[in-house]
Amino acid sequence: AQSVTQLGSHVSVSEGALVLLRCNYSSSVPPYLFWYVQYPNQGLQLLLKYTTGATLVKGINGFEAEFKKSETSFHLTKPSAHMSDAAEYFCAVSSDFNKFYFGSGTKLNVKP
Amino acid sequence: SAVISQKPSRDICQRGTSLTIQCQVDSQVTMMFWYRQQPGQSLTLIATANQGSEATYESGFVIDKFPISRPNLTFSTLTVSNMSPEDSSIYLCSVVGWRGRDTEAFFGQGTRLTVV
Repeated sequence: AQSVTQLGSHVSVSEGALVLLRCNYSSSVPPYLFWYVQYPNQGLQLLLKYTTGATLVKGINGFEAEFKKSETSFHLTKPSAHMSDAAEYFCAVSSDFNKFYFGSGTKLNVKP
Repeated sequence: SAVISQKPSRDICQRGTSLTIQCQVDSQVTMMFWYRQQPGQSLTLIATANQGSEATYESGFVIDKFPISRPNLTFSTLTVSNMSPEDSSIYLCSVVGWRGRDTEAFFGQGTRLTVV
């Protein structure tokens, strides 16, 4: 069984501040982990993913995430928030790269 | 990469009726996936559609309510039957394809369904 927990349904940061979106997962097998972003009225866009190898994964738009097996976490970070980062972010887990199980999402608000 | 087209993009339907959503992919894929995103909530997998066999449904979803067709390797339909307001959601089609040498899950833009 696989599941994802995203802590904080809403996160608000000031422009230029650190973005930290939390994701913890549960998986009975080695997981593939993903972060997707959804802008209003748009589809899902892949930000980054962890499959194997280096545990620090860099994605698009300056985002990165670190896979920590001991903590079963895959938190998403960005050093400096930009207004254009305002969106909803979903963490997801998959064991076979087919079925995806999504967290409940975190809406990021960036204040000027 | 895979380009997914969904039709319709949105619809408003009367309760008790049915709506069929189409998903067209620009490349052949073995499996296609249907998700539901209820208002303010995350995506939930409804079923996996394989060409040539019956769809596999996740817990809480049944074929009578969400019949799926998969006539070929590039096309699938999801029908939402006997709709009620609780079925108001965004329905998304997904496939796994290649981006460069990397595999990635691709999602359609979704079908925004409102049941009145």
